[in-house]
Amino acid sequence: DQQVKQNSPSLSVQEGRISILNCDYTNSMFDYFLWYKKYPAEGPTFLISISSIKDKNEDGRFTVFLNKSAKHLSLHIVPSQPGDSAVYFCADIYNFNKFYFGSGTKLNVKP
Amino acid sequence: GAVVSQHPSWVICKSGTSVKIECRSLDFQATTMFWYRQFPKQSLMLMATSNEGSKATYEQGVEKDKFLINHASLTLSTLTVTSAHPEDSSFYICSADDILMSYEQYFGPGTRLTVT
Repeated sequence: DQQVKQNSPSLSVQEGRISILNCDYTNSMFDYFLWYKKYPAEGPTFLISISSIKDKNEDGRFTVFLNKSAKHLSLHIVPSQPGDSAVYFCADIYNFNKFYFGSGTKLNVKP
Repeated sequence: GAVVSQHPSWVICKSGTSVKIECRSLDFQATTMFWYRQFPKQSLMLMATSNEGSKATYEQGVEKDKFLINHASLTLSTLTVTSAHPEDSSFYICSADDILMSYEQYFGPGTRLTVT
């Protein structure tokens, strides 16, 4: 069974500071993870991904870190902006193209 | 960029009726589309995988006779909730797999279904 867990249901951060969203996984067949951002009543939008051949991937203000030994990945947002306030899901891929989503972390960036 | 649309964006129906939700990939071809549902404050749960020209693959616990999926073309998949009940009220989201891009899925905006 693929399991992806986001143990923090919510996170509140001051504008300009760093937001760190965490995700733990158990068994990953393809070692490819993605982060999605979701606003209420909208579909998720892709943010950033990382494969097991890397331990870090950076795209603008977003950086994802992968610690394979700990089976842990994290998304860093620096600097955080009020528009980043949303629910963030990490996702693991199984069966080549099926996603298993974590439960999400609601990020609130305070102005 | 790749765009996926859903129609309708919201629908209210009475118990016992059927509701059809459309998912379209607007500027790319999708051999595979996925249907998710999300309950309030919960994660996205994959319901089924829809492959163009073949039967959908349903996840464990999802009733295939209740949630009918048809993937008639490379740009259209439909989900029909048959004999809807209030517990079917949820947010339904589709996603599409771009055959030219590995691993990336593009999500539709979702459909809010309320069954009264």
